[in-house]
Amino acid sequence: DVKVTQSSRYLVKRTGEKVFLECVQDMDHENMFWYRQDPGLGLRLIYFSYDVKMKEKGDIPEGYSVSREKKERFSLILESASTNQTSMYLCASSFRGAAKNIQYFGAGTRLSVL
Amino acid sequence: AQKITQTQPGMFVQEKEAVTLDCTYDTSDPSYGLFWYKQPSSGEMIFLIYQGSYDQQNATEGRYSLNFQKARKSANLVISASQLGDSAMYFCAMRVIQGAQKLVFGQGTRLTINP
Repeated sequence: DVKVTQSSRYLVKRTGEKVFLECVQDMDHENMFWYRQDPGLGLRLIYFSYDVKMKEKGDIPEGYSVSREKKERFSLILESASTNQTSMYLCASSFRGAAKNIQYFGAGTRLSVL
Repeated sequence: AQKITQTQPGMFVQEKEAVTLDCTYDTSDPSYGLFWYKQPSSGEMIFLIYQGSYDQQNATEGRYSLNFQKARKSANLVISASQLGDSAMYFCAMRVIQGAQKLVFGQGTRLTINP
């Protein structure tokens, strides 16, 4: 069965803290994605990776960085958390090159920055 | 630029009725894919149905069907015989085949099924 696991469902952090959001997939997918979800805005792509150590900026990369040292793991890093980064964060993965290329999602991490 | 528009922020439907969720898209690429996802209150995004731009027939998956009207650039989701468990957020998304395999999402529609 397809599995994308995000390390935390809920996270509360202080302004200025360094925050790590972890995502692991067990489907041997090449592509991995980090999205941010806000009411009325849908999902917006922060960063994605199509291979180990490769990364590309999405639509809203400011204030975020990512790391992909192993194929199954993709980390989102908030170098200095700010209150406007309070949001729901969703990780997804997919095969590269498949015609349908369905993205499979984790359950999300709801981050509050106080 | 690619864009997805969902004009219904919320919809309320009686159980067992059919419901149509609207989605229009904008792209200049001839090759693309359209997706619908369901997000229950638990938060996980669940893939429902896919339509390729060159597919001749409308996609169907159980109670879900996609009303694909290419000339009008619309890809509406139809849920037949709605159930209480269908209450959720629904997102329409598009992927440009020649692009980097990323999805562009609409704003979502919150569907509530009343008993």
